[in-house]
Amino acid sequence: EPEVTQTPSHQVTQMGQEVILRCVPISNHLYFYWYRQILGQKVEFLVSFYNNEISEKSEIFDDQFSVERPDGSNFTLKIRSTKLEDSAMYFCASKEADPYNEQFFGPGTRLTVL
Amino acid sequence: GESVGLHLPTLSVQEGDNSIINCAYSNSASDYFIWYKQESGKGPQFIIDIRSNMDKRQGQRVTVLLNKTVKHLSLQIAATQPGDSADYFCAETFGYKLSFGAGTTVTVRA
Repeated sequence: EPEVTQTPSHQVTQMGQEVILRCVPISNHLYFYWYRQILGQKVEFLVSFYNNEISEKSEIFDDQFSVERPDGSNFTLKIRSTKLEDSAMYFCASKEADPYNEQFFGPGTRLTVL
Repeated sequence: GESVGLHLPTLSVQEGDNSIINCAYSNSASDYFIWYKQESGKGPQFIIDIRSNMDKRQGQRVTVLLNKTVKHLSLQIAATQPGDSADYFCAETFGYKLSFGAGTTVTVRA
C-alpha cells in the first residue's frame, strides 16, 4: 500500500540554524500539507500546497518557514532560523483530490532545537 | 470563529465494551469530518470520515455520527480491543486545511 514517507525521523539542531524536513507524498496525490504537533498537544495545520504554490497557511507559518516541491516526488519544509519553540513533531500529509478525500499522514519528523 | 474541541480528554474502557468519543465543532461551514487515530510516535491514521450531507456512517467496528443541529460529532468503537488504545482526534475540513480537536486518549483495560 502506498504511503507518505518522511526523513529524517529525528533532527537535532542548534537554535538559529536552518533545517530542511523532507517528505515524499503518495505519487498520484495533488495536495500536500505540513502539520506540527508540540508534545502533548493537538496537531496544528501549517500550510497546504497545490499546483506548485501555497494554497493556505496558518499564522504559525511565518517568514521563517518555506515549502518547496523541488522535483516530482519531494516536498520540503524549511525553517530558516530555528527557535526553541519550533521543537515538535512535523507531519507531512498528502491527498489525492478535492473535495472529499482523506489526507494520508507520514510518520513524522521529530525536531529538537537546543 | 472556527474551532473543534473534545468533551473528554481521557477515556478508560474495559476490553469488549463499546467506546464513545465525542467532539464539538463550531464552524457550521465545515462540510467534511474525519476521525484519526494516533499511536505513540506515529502519524495520524485515518479511521472514518463523514460528509455534512450525512448523519451516520459505519465502518468496520466503528461508527461516526454527525449532528449538525448541535454541531456534534461522535465516534463509536464496538467491542473495544487492546489495539484500540491510542489518541483519537476529530478533524474538520474548512478550505484547504484540516482543523484538529484537542484529542482523547483511550485506554483499554484487559
